[in-house]
Order: sequence, then structure tokens, then C-alpha cells
Amino acid sequence: GAVVSQHPSWVICKSGTSVKIECRSLDFQATTMFWYRQFPKQSLMLMATSNEGSKATYEQGVEKDKFLINHASLTLSTLTVTSAHPEDSSFYICSASEGQGFNEKLFFGSGTQLSVL
Amino acid sequence: QKEVEQNSGPLSVPEGAIASLNCTYSDRGSQSFFWYRQYSGKSPELIMFIYSNGDKEDGRFTAQLNKASQYVSLLIRDSQPSDSATYLCAVKEFDNFNKFYFGSGTKLNVKP
Repeated sequence: GAVVSQHPSWVICKSGTSVKIECRSLDFQATTMFWYRQFPKQSLMLMATSNEGSKATYEQGVEKDKFLINHASLTLSTLTVTSAHPEDSSFYICSASEGQGFNEKLFFGSGTQLSVL
Repeated sequence: QKEVEQNSGPLSVPEGAIASLNCTYSDRGSQSFFWYRQYSGKSPELIMFIYSNGDKEDGRFTAQLNKASQYVSLLIRDSQPSDSATYLCAVKEFDNFNKFYFGSGTKLNVKP
């Protein structure tokens, strides 16, 4: 399957700082990337849909000014958690869609565990 | 609200048995259906996808889709302890951005 790389794998930061997470599709071009967060023992929660060259579409309840998404190229999307607080601590996972129509599939990065002190 | 429902489990099966995981979805406009495996602390890994009614087999895994009943299942034959994980059902919607919606997952325990 397609490979999606996500960095960093984990990050610890102080409250009030900003954290940037990178997501790259290594062997395919991803017009659309998705950002999820996951709390322990809970399912994936879609935060936003990122399309190359356009503004991200955020799900209801997700603060777009807090979670900045940039999809500058067909292989790179970034999520910046601005002014992070302890309640932002979570497992953040990016994904990229590969293929089209009925053959479109979602591949995930390895995830980023964010801990805000 | 588009919903994907799964029994949270845990589902316990002995090694070598068949594990059956089930998923229902609410939106009849759903296009494609996926099963992902997620180990604790890791990101989901695609196992199977299906978009036509009936069965699709890949090794020890069989996905079954019944669009009339809005039901998709995953069978794991000859279950191994390494199959112990949470299995996520996902549904792709045919809207502007082709979003994927996930169920809450079923935890599978395969006992040696």
C-alpha cells in the first residue's frame, strides 16, 4: 500500500507553545489529506479535510484558528497546534487518500502523540 | 449525522477459530467500505476494502457487504494471537471531499 510519513512521532511541550506536525505522502500524490485526533480507547475523530492549494475544511467544533492546516504541495500537509494547552494532549493522526472513485483508499501516518505540560 | 456502528467488544475467540466482526452504517449513499486494524498506540492499517455486494477474500480475511441491510462484516479465519487488536470499520461518503467516517472499533482478543 501507499506510504504516509508523519513527524514527529511524539512531542512534549509547555503550555502556550505551538507545535507543528508534518504529514507526507512518500510514493504518491495526495490531493486530499485528513487530520484526525484520537483519545485513549476512543475512535478516530475527524478534525479537518485538507486540499492542496485551498483552505482546509474543518469539522464542527474544531477551532480553525487553533489548529492551523496548510497543504502547500501534493505531498505535504502540516497541522500546527497553536498556543497548546493540556486539553490538546492527544494522538494526532494524518491520512492521505490514494486512488479515485470506488478504488479510493485511506492510508495513515504513524501518528503523533502530543503531551502538553 | 452519518453513523457507523460497531460493537465495542471485547470479542474473545480461541486461537484457530473464526472471528466475526460486524458493522452497520446509516447512510445509503455510502460508496466504499473499509476495515482497518489498529494496535494499541499505533495508527490504523488498512486490511480490506469492498464496494460491491457479496464477499471479498484476501488470505485469511473475508469482507462481506450487504447494501440492502446496510451491513458490512469481516471474517478472520484461523485467528492468531497477533490478530488481537481493535478493528475499525470505515465508510466512504460520496460528497464533496469523499470523507471517510469511522466506527468506534471492536476490540478482538485471540487467546492462545
